[in-house]
Amino acid sequence: GENVEQHPSTLSVQEGDSAVIKCTYSDSASNYFPWYKQELGKRPQLIIDIRSNVGEKKDQRIAVTLNKTAKHFSLHITETQPEDSAVYFCAASSPGSARQLTFGSGTQLTVLP
Amino acid sequence: GAGVSQSPSNKVTEKGKDVELRCDPISGHTALYWYRQRLGQGLEFLIYFQGNSAPDKSGLPSDRFSAERTGESVSTLTIQRTQQEDSAVYLCASSRPRLASGNTIYFGEGSWLTVV
Repeated sequence: GENVEQHPSTLSVQEGDSAVIKCTYSDSASNYFPWYKQELGKRPQLIIDIRSNVGEKKDQRIAVTLNKTAKHFSLHITETQPEDSAVYFCAASSPGSARQLTFGSGTQLTVLP
Repeated sequence: GAGVSQSPSNKVTEKGKDVELRCDPISGHTALYWYRQRLGQGLEFLIYFQGNSAPDKSGLPSDRFSAERTGESVSTLTIQRTQQEDSAVYLCASSRPRLASGNTIYFGEGSWLTVV
């Protein structure tokens, strides 16, 4: 089945700097890659997603890139703010997977004021 | 409803008792998922329903765990003879089928279970 690895597990950046979180996946048939943000005590919420027919997608300060050949995708947050502090989960969806969506282990992002 | 609804939001139970957790998905969402998240940990897949069929039950941690879904609506996760290691938040999510076709998974607020 699909395996998703996420790095780093923790990341601290200064306010205003950029943050990058990387994920790799194992199933070349995976075609949908969402990113979720989970604030302390809250539910995971979708912040951006990308499908396999595009290489990059942007939404204001957030962008995701996908390299299908290398089977990795990354989340980029620019001009980080304290409210970006949260746990971020990547995920990959394979059409053949009975589980539909496989999550990475999460990255705790801390933005220091 | 507007979102995925879970109940109870919080449950404290004594070790050895049974608990039932309920999930009401977004209307029209045929796919329903249960995850477990221990404090400070990631999302552990438990089970996925497409309609009332569960193609993959291998995520259920033990035979004390079971889940049912009636049609394309409410699902119940039951934990029998609870143990302290069952303490976690149990997250339910729902989606339309075929995630790559413009559909997305939405999570509920979770049921926080504490076994004492």
